[in-house]
Amino acid sequence: KNEVEQSPQNLTAQEGEFITINCSYSVGISALHWLQQHPGGGIVSLFMLSSGKKKHGRLIATINIQEKHSSLHITASHPRDSAVYICAAYPNTGNQFYFGTGTSLTVIP
Amino acid sequence: NAGVMQNPRHLVRRRGQEARLRCSPMKGHSHVYWYRQLPEEGLKFMVYLQKENIIDESGMPKERFSAEFPKEGPSILRIQQVVRGDSAAYFCASSVIRDTEAFFGQGTRLTVV
Repeated sequence: KNEVEQSPQNLTAQEGEFITINCSYSVGISALHWLQQHPGGGIVSLFMLSSGKKKHGRLIATINIQEKHSSLHITASHPRDSAVYICAAYPNTGNQFYFGTGTSLTVIP
Repeated sequence: NAGVMQNPRHLVRRRGQEARLRCSPMKGHSHVYWYRQLPEEGLKFMVYLQKENIIDESGMPKERFSAEFPKEGPSILRIQQVVRGDSAAYFCASSVIRDTEAFFGQGTRLTVV
């Protein structure tokens, strides 16, 4: 069983749609990260959360510590948002991130 | 302030050769993590280092792989006698201390032919 589960695995949206990607984790965490990876590209850290909500442009990330759940929302999606989004949980103990398998997002013009 | 720098971006090695991957953390960061992403798979932890110390290498294959983070210079991930199965993207991340935000490099894509 993976410590971090993401859904959906694949997502196709029309340009302009509101998108939600979900992440559930089973370990106690000190922080949760949302990462973005374009095909063949590097990894960019979008957010680091330990509680509440963060917003950056059209991206919003929320976390519910009690429910061990986080969501990444993209408002007014654009084709350039097409990428793999990865949820990564950094545990209270131990020295490694636990990664979700990623959500592959395609935004169609 | 430059981000995490990895080089080379792409590396091609023949079977049996050695591969050296370098990671320069962000300025002021003394914690480095290496991850491997096999084709069509997610990221997997390999090793966690602080300056001159390996803290956790539980994700490293027992043979042919080694990592270091010397007092001066970048962190090095070394793969000896590469095999086709080593073909992957190798990412490093750095942070100031353990619980702070980690920043990722662009990765090194290793192809073994």
